[in-house]
Amino acid sequence: KNQVEQSPQSLIILEGKNCTLQCNYTVSPFSNLRWYKQDTGRGPVSLTIMTFSENTKSNGRYTATLDADTKQSSLHITASQLSDSASYICVVSGYSTLTFGKGTMLLVSP
Amino acid sequence: DTEVTQTPKHLVMGMTNKKSLKCEQHMGHRAMYWYKQKAKKPPELMFVYSYEKLSINESVPSRFSPECPNSSLLNLHLHALQPEDSALYLCASSQGQGANEKLFFGSGTQLSVL
Repeated sequence: KNQVEQSPQSLIILEGKNCTLQCNYTVSPFSNLRWYKQDTGRGPVSLTIMTFSENTKSNGRYTATLDADTKQSSLHITASQLSDSASYICVVSGYSTLTFGKGTMLLVSP
Repeated sequence: DTEVTQTPKHLVMGMTNKKSLKCEQHMGHRAMYWYKQKAKKPPELMFVYSYEKLSINESVPSRFSPECPNSSLLNLHLHALQPEDSALYLCASSQGQGANEKLFFGSGTQLSVL
């Protein structure tokens, strides 16, 4: 069964600090992995996409990594800002399937 | 225009009411989706339209009725809903229907059924 597990479930950090969110998946066959940011009461917005051959990809202060051998991905946020407070959802695509993780709720505190 | 627009943003309805949710995109995307999201849960796929034809119905109860009048519009007609149907309803679109496609989500309609 295709599954996407995210950790931690929730996280509180101080503004300006860094953090790393984890995503483990068992989706097979694997096509790509996306990280989405969802602000409260809004729709998810795509941050990055990782394909099988990519190990690291950055989008501003967001850096995603992918280890296709261990089926793990991480999202690293540098110098966090209050606006980073949101749910971060890992979504893994198979050839014809899309599996959502339950998300990590991040709160950046002043 | 890279937006998916959903209306209304908020909706409160009784169990005997009939209402409709609307979604619009002008990116030329040929696939459109309805997702249901409960609080602190990931979005759950309800329906997929591809080239204005219903291609996926994830065993959704008939009190939810989707409609795709044209390639830019997607509606979700609601009738005789239950309180447990209260959720954030998200519309999304993508260039094609493949699992590799990037989804563009609207801001959602927060639905409360009394």
